[in-house]
Amino acid sequence: AQSVAQPEDQVNVAEGNPLTVKCTYSVSGNPYLFWYVQYPNRGLQFLLKYITGDNLVKGSYGFEAEFNKSQTSFHLKKPSALVSDSALYFCAVRDSMDSSYKLIFGSGTRLLVRP
Amino acid sequence: ETGVTQTPRHLVMGMTNKKSLKCEQHLGHNAMYWYKQSAKKPLELMFVYSLEERVENNSVPSRFSPECPNSSHLFLHLHTLQPEDSALYLCASSQSGQPNTEAFFGQGTRLTVV
Repeated sequence: AQSVAQPEDQVNVAEGNPLTVKCTYSVSGNPYLFWYVQYPNRGLQFLLKYITGDNLVKGSYGFEAEFNKSQTSFHLKKPSALVSDSALYFCAVRDSMDSSYKLIFGSGTRLLVRP
Repeated sequence: ETGVTQTPRHLVMGMTNKKSLKCEQHLGHNAMYWYKQSAKKPLELMFVYSLEERVENNSVPSRFSPECPNSSHLFLHLHTLQPEDSALYLCASSQSGQPNTEAFFGQGTRLTVV
């Protein structure tokens, strides 16, 4: 069965500094990987995804993520953080071998960007 | 606006009540999901429907009963809930048969069981 781990409950970073939110995954087949962001009392908003091809994918609001097959990781990054980036971030995976289309999420990482 | 609408946004119910949560998507998708988000276990997958057929039931108690009458609508019927069922219930949709596509989420229903 597929699984996702986000090892950090919270990441603190100063505005203007680069940020990284970590994610590792486990699947039987090939992974389809996603990042979502959640603001207070809202649903999840899609940021970016990795399907195949270039290991560095770019998404909304200046975010990007790097797929590393050997380390089974898909870390979210941004070169320069904004206070408005403060939110809850979720990594998710689908397994190409799973015909039920389950989308499994990690436990989430709270990002706090201080002015 | 993501194209997925959930009603009501907030619901308070007693343990003996029966209520239903509604989800509607206008994206032409044919797979729909229910997730439970609570402080203790963020984003638990509850049910998956693909082409109106339930394909996943993730060991959810029978006091939660899903219904998918067509590809645009998904319901979660609730009865005799417990206080620990208080959570944010999120609905999502995606395109069945295309696992490389992202899911779109509604705003959620904040459920409080008293």
